[in-house]
Amino acid sequence: GQNIDQPTEMTATEGAIVQINCTYQTSGFNGLFWYQQHAGEAPTFLSYNVLDGLEEKGRFSSFLSRSKGYSYLLLKELQMKDSASYLCAVRDVTGGYQKVTFGIGTKLQVIP
Amino acid sequence: SQTIHQWPATLVQPVGSPLSLECTVEGTSNPNLYWYRQAAGRGLQLLFYSVGIGQISSEVPQNLSASRPQDRQFILSSKKLLLSDSGFYLCAWSVQLNTEAFFGQGTRLTVV
Repeated sequence: GQNIDQPTEMTATEGAIVQINCTYQTSGFNGLFWYQQHAGEAPTFLSYNVLDGLEEKGRFSSFLSRSKGYSYLLLKELQMKDSASYLCAVRDVTGGYQKVTFGIGTKLQVIP
Repeated sequence: SQTIHQWPATLVQPVGSPLSLECTVEGTSNPNLYWYRQAAGRGLQLLFYSVGIGQISSEVPQNLSASRPQDRQFILSSKKLLLSDSGFYLCAWSVQLNTEAFFGQGTRLTVV
């Protein structure tokens, strides 16, 4: 099985930088996803990491360390519209069977 | 471009009543299709996935069933709803099994 941990809530100031951490435990790691979900809406795909290192996409970056079972999502130049939940999801391959498991999500509140 | 439609957006149903939620995808052929449920304070839970017409895999035993009568149509059903079936139901599709998923707008189901 998989265990995915991420903080439940975070607060950050508009214009600042925030880092949302995700740790996981899995026997057959095969990729990690980050999604953004605004309240009452569907999740939208942000990033995908399968190799160690940093993937940058505009104001958003995602980092992965497979040896540490650790990822983070970095949001720069925070805007009020970034207030949302951020979901970490891990893909696991066990016995040739792929499965994606989502964490509970981190609710980020951006304040003026 | 690809789009995914899911309806209805909200639904209030009495305990013991049947359920039918429909999802359709446009702009792609042979998508992988998924039904997820998101309960309050919990992560996205995969209920069913399908790699082709008539092919349904169930992730968790439950009061629900799924069907895929056409390539781009995925239906979630129940014969008798339970209170515990309340939640936010999301349909999603992906190009390959368990790659990044694209979600429909979701159906908020309240069983009373």
